[in-house]
Amino acid sequence: EVQLVESGGGLVQPGGSLRLSCAASGFTFSSYWMNWVRQAPGKGLEWVANIKQDGSEKYYVDSVKGRFTISRDNAKNSLYLQMNTLRAEDTAVYYCARGGIARPFDYWGQGTLVTVSS
Amino acid sequence: QSALTQPASVSGSPGQSITISCTGTSSDVGGYNYVSWYQQHPGKAPKLMIYDVSKRPSGVSNRFSGSKSGNTASLTISGLQAEDEADYYCSSYTSSSTWVFGGGTKLTVL
Repeated sequence: EVQLVESGGGLVQPGGSLRLSCAASGFTFSSYWMNWVRQAPGKGLEWVANIKQDGSEKYYVDSVKGRFTISRDNAKNSLYLQMNTLRAEDTAVYYCARGGIARPFDYWGQGTLVTVSS
Repeated sequence: QSALTQPASVSGSPGQSITISCTGTSSDVGGYNYVSWYQQHPGKAPKLMIYDVSKRPSGVSNRFSGSKSGNTASLTISGLQAEDEADYYCSSYTSSSTWVFGGGTKLTVL
């Protein structure tokens, strides 16, 4: 059974940093692109970033470029999102999702809540 | 990277059919057959319902179907059931090698 479990969310002050993790199991993690998708409270879904199987390609939504970094450790079956210079508008539930270039997001984690507030 | 355009809400009675539209541009919806649709119930993670415009993942009811014409994709749900009440989001691959979602549509089953 495919499982994606996010962790690392919490309350952080504006300008602060946070690192999210996503532990994958039930499939060959190193064979898939992976993504982060977020959802602000009461709002819609927003794709944030993705990363190729070997980490050689990464793409980001404009609003996080230069502040967020996606990475992965295939030996640990884990996906990460390093978030720096956080803003109030980054407050959201962050989902880890399997999918890739031209492939849909077929499995999602349960999400982890990030709150940016003073 | 503007969001795709969806109606904010649609409604229908049990047994009826509804269609949700998703309008983009030639750089996303119109340029690729990589449109997908997601169902999200309150407090839950999204679930893939349609991918590659009209394909259904294993386990998804054949009451759900998808299509595309030009820059607009559509999701049709036939034989509405109470459990179909949820938020629905479209998504498309883009020419920037990124993904974009629609703003979401709240489906109410009357």
